[in-house]
Amino acid sequence: ETGVTQSPTHLIKTRGQQVTLRCSSQSGHNTVSWYQQALGQGPQFIFQYYREEENGRGNFPPRFSGLQFPNYSSELNVNALELDDSALYLCASSLIGGGAGGELFFGEGSRLTVL
Amino acid sequence: GDSVTQMEGPVTLSEEAFLTINCTYTATGYPSLFWYVQYPGEGLQLLLKATKADDKGSNKGFEATYRKETTSFHLEKGSVQVSDSAVYFCALSERNNQGGKLIFGQGTELSVKP
Repeated sequence: ETGVTQSPTHLIKTRGQQVTLRCSSQSGHNTVSWYQQALGQGPQFIFQYYREEENGRGNFPPRFSGLQFPNYSSELNVNALELDDSALYLCASSLIGGGAGGELFFGEGSRLTVL
Repeated sequence: GDSVTQMEGPVTLSEEAFLTINCTYTATGYPSLFWYVQYPGEGLQLLLKATKADDKGSNKGFEATYRKETTSFHLEKGSVQVSDSAVYFCALSERNNQGGKLIFGQGTELSVKP
């Protein structure tokens, strides 16, 4: 186990709704990253949070947003859900300054289905 | 932009067979390279990594060597076990990346039969 926990594990939404996914980082880690993994594909980087601010973003629209809290836990919010948002959403924690590239510790993911 | 390409799966092997999963990358600069593994129903776990050319990462009998001249990071294991059945992802991180952004390949599913 990595010590990274995500909730909920599964959820179903309808198109146009909003969703919030939650992540608790591994103890001692100060950085959280979120990834989207479509079925049969590799994870794609959404964004990273460090010291409660966005610190890098992938090619995702603004309706994907996030928060990091003082205890380093994090939320991923997706507004105006689309069918293509159906995927496994992975949270990963790491420690900035932990070395080149930095090892990521992943949670088991939240599987979102949009109908 | 940077990218990672893996051999397509699924790969099906008998127990004790030799495993190679090919991975090539395109990157500016000198990335760090990783192999992650995803067992059924679990999150991704780091299997091994290499941070500079000619480095060899190894763990649990798996090995991969960072080949800058061929921009490759192939994963190998001399004798696979049923418990190695999983999806394997090759990934890269830019050298100046402070952690967080990895670029993944599409994954290669490995199935090992007894």
